[in-house]
Amino acid sequence: RKEVEQDPGPFNVPEGATVAFNCTYSNSASQSFFWYRQDCRKEPKLLMSVYSSGNEDGRFTAQLNRASQYISLLIRDSKLSDSATYLCVVIPRGGKLIFGQGTELSVKP
Amino acid sequence: DAGVIQSPRHEVTEMGQEVTLRCKPISGHNSLFWYRQTMMRGLELLIYFNNNVPIDDSGMPEDRFSAKMPNASFSTLKIQPSEPRDSAVYFCASSSTGPMNTEAFFGQGTRLTVV
Repeated sequence: RKEVEQDPGPFNVPEGATVAFNCTYSNSASQSFFWYRQDCRKEPKLLMSVYSSGNEDGRFTAQLNRASQYISLLIRDSKLSDSATYLCVVIPRGGKLIFGQGTELSVKP
Repeated sequence: DAGVIQSPRHEVTEMGQEVTLRCKPISGHNSLFWYRQTMMRGLELLIYFNNNVPIDDSGMPEDRFSAKMPNASFSTLKIQPSEPRDSAVYFCASSSTGPMNTEAFFGQGTRLTVV
């Protein structure tokens, strides 16, 4: 089993739609969690951290469920500019960043 | 800060040649990561340094790959001899790790093509 697994993609959604991605992790001692965004042929960049209590940044909401060992990302009112690959990142004790395979999102007019 | 700096941005080499990729992490960061990204395998962690010491190199594919971090401001990833299947984008990232792990910042990557 992979240490971090994500929903398979691609997700093709119309503008204005709400879309959700999930990511599961196997190491119950994992300490930190992030969502990154990667545009085509560019480097991954931080989208948002994921806190135990859940957190929101504009149209983006991230949640953590430690009991079930998954994190989620919800995007409301999708924009064309949201089209990208979304990567979840888990950091177990020791500091190693482990990335999921990524989920491709394509928002259509 | 200029961010994580990688060089070269692009590298085309012939099979069998030695390739050296370079990385300058963000000043003050104590962790450095080398990743390889391909369409088939996604983003794979090759090796992770903390305070210039290799902590986990379990992702290094084979003996042809080696990485060094002689000081806090410089790291290299070397492939010798290179093979066509090594063609990929190689990213270096740095972060500050400790009681609270901060985000990792990536360089722009080196696109390697081995022909």
